[in-house]
Amino acid sequence: AQKITQTQPGMFVQEKEAVTLDCTYDTSDQSYGLFWYKQPSSGEMIFLIYQGSYDEQNATEGRYSLNFQKARKSANLVISASQLGDSAMYFCAMREPNTGFQKLVFGTGTRLLVSP
Amino acid sequence: DTGVSQDPRHKITKRGQNVTFRCDPISEHNRLYWYRQTLGQGPEFLTYFQNEAQLEKSRLLSDRFSAERPKGSFSTLEIQRTEQGDSAMYLCASSLAQVRDTEAFFGQGTRLTVV
Repeated sequence: AQKITQTQPGMFVQEKEAVTLDCTYDTSDQSYGLFWYKQPSSGEMIFLIYQGSYDEQNATEGRYSLNFQKARKSANLVISASQLGDSAMYFCAMREPNTGFQKLVFGTGTRLLVSP
Repeated sequence: DTGVSQDPRHKITKRGQNVTFRCDPISEHNRLYWYRQTLGQGPEFLTYFQNEAQLEKSRLLSDRFSAERPKGSFSTLEIQRTEQGDSAMYLCASSLAQVRDTEAFFGQGTRLTVV
């Protein structure tokens, strides 16, 4: 079974600084997809970034980048130039292999607080 | 269309009552999902529809739970004889089937409290 581990319950960062949120995963499959979602206090899950296991380059989306280390089975999210609005829960997720649809397994999340 | 819409946003019910939630996906999305999120945890997959067909159900979806998606548009999730353990956030998501289905769009969820 697939498993996602997020070992940081909470992280603090000052505005304009960069922060890395850790994510490790466990799978025996070669083809898989990794996701990061942001969940503000309003409750909705906001898609941030996607990395396919066969993608040769690390994914980037604006201030978000994914540090993908396949051999270590890690997919850390890097947020550059943090903003106050980045304060939220962040979830790493993996799509179950061989499903072809968004059956996601989520980690327990990391709460990020950005201070002025 | 501004995104996935869920109704109601909050529901408080007495144990043993039935509740029904509604999800309106993004209009062109043919895939729809229900997830459940309990306090301090990430969302857990419950069920998946492609168009009107329910193609997968999690073991978490006991026989008290039923989901439908008539005509492949909106979906409903009904919980019969609610229990306190059903208290959670119920999230709906939708996506578009394509070669590289890389993103699911989530609604704001329905928070259920069973007292």
